[in-house]
Amino acid sequence: GAVVSQHPSRVICKSGTSVKIECRSLDFQATTMFWYRQFPKQSLMLMATSNEGSKATYEQGVEKDKFLINHASLTLSTLTVTSAHPEDSSFYICSARGGFDEKLFFGSGTQLSVL
Amino acid sequence: DAKTTQPPSMDCAEGRAANLPCNHSTISGNEYVYWYRQIHSQGPQYIIHGLKNNETNEMASLIITEDRKSSTLILPHATLRDTAVYYCIVRVETDSNYQLIWGAGTKLIIKP
Repeated sequence: GAVVSQHPSRVICKSGTSVKIECRSLDFQATTMFWYRQFPKQSLMLMATSNEGSKATYEQGVEKDKFLINHASLTLSTLTVTSAHPEDSSFYICSARGGFDEKLFFGSGTQLSVL
Repeated sequence: DAKTTQPPSMDCAEGRAANLPCNHSTISGNEYVYWYRQIHSQGPQYIIHGLKNNETNEMASLIITEDRKSSTLILPHATLRDTAVYYCIVRVETDSNYQLIWGAGTKLIIKP
């Protein structure tokens, strides 16, 4: 099946710094990528939908200036958490839509811990 | 808001069939039902999806009721590695795209 690579898998940073998370579709072109966050023992919450070459669409309550999304190519989308604070600590997951059957494939997730 | 309801947890004996129910009584005619599972601290893994007909693949079977208000995921011979949170999801079409509306999932524990 199609593979989505997400990097890094784990990051620890100081409060106030910015963190970039990369999401790549390895063997297919992803016209659309989605970014989720997940708190412990909770379900996935959609943060934004990213379309290649256009601005991302953010879900209600998600600050676009804090969570910068760039989908510069058909195989790469990045999420930058700017000026991270401890409350931003979470598991972030990307997914990519593509392949011949348009299923959603997920990355392995990034555990962000802000000290 | 989630469009699906699932039991929060289930147990199943290793080697037996695991039957995971899902209610989606407000599903629309063109909305697909998807199942994903998530093993702790990993990204979700696709299992199966369907619209009206029952579906089967190498991982599981999906049984959808005729009125489409509920479905059941069947893992025919559960193994310990099938322990995970299983999400029943409705795929909602948007203007030029689609979204997966995630519910709370069922934590399935396979016991030896």
